[in-house]
Amino acid sequence: DTAVSQTPKYLVTQMGNDKSIKCEQNLGHDTMYWYKQDSKKFLKIMFSYNNKELIINETVPNRFSPKSPDKAHLNLHINSLELGDSAVYFCASSQGQGGYGYTFGSGTRLTVV
Amino acid sequence: DQQVKQNSPSLSVQEGRISILNCDYTNSMFDYFLWYKKYPAEGPTFLISISSIKDKNEDGRFTVFLNKSAKHLSLHIVPSQPGDSAVYFCAASVASGTYKYIFGTGTRLKVLA
Repeated sequence: DTAVSQTPKYLVTQMGNDKSIKCEQNLGHDTMYWYKQDSKKFLKIMFSYNNKELIINETVPNRFSPKSPDKAHLNLHINSLELGDSAVYFCASSQGQGGYGYTFGSGTRLTVV
Repeated sequence: DQQVKQNSPSLSVQEGRISILNCDYTNSMFDYFLWYKKYPAEGPTFLISISSIKDKNEDGRFTVFLNKSAKHLSLHIVPSQPGDSAVYFCAASVASGTYKYIFGTGTRLKVLA
């Protein structure tokens, strides 16, 4: 039973399209995150929500919009996709503020063509 | 600005020997550090952590050492096993508020049977 699950696992789409990635965690954690791993393998935080409230919002284009309908879900919507958005996107969750680390999902590989 | 660096992209070690993975950081405010292990097509999984009030933390075959003056930490795996073959990421955060981990780019460890 997957603790942090992301869908889809792979996403290939054309430039200019709008797409969403969904994330759900069944760990009872109250904080969720989106990280992006680019082609140079950097894992960078994008957003964090605690109990549905946005608490971290890094310098990310406003084409990226996270949505947290409840504390078990954090979705990522991306408008007007660009080639540079191609990356692996990881969802993660933690209890509290992350002092015990995160539990990551298996990632969504987004390819924009 | 790469605040957390793993300068060795890869490392090969014989089974049964010690694996030493290194990580350097530049931000002296960081006071909480984690190591993650990542298998292909999976998300990173938490391995071990260390707070800046300690210089060593041990968990079974895994030991993390922290040298605050050198801004350096290392992960020792003894003895190394083929199942340890993975990419290892170190991550650092300031231990207050929401932990915003900055990740290194990873070191690929290959344990040879």
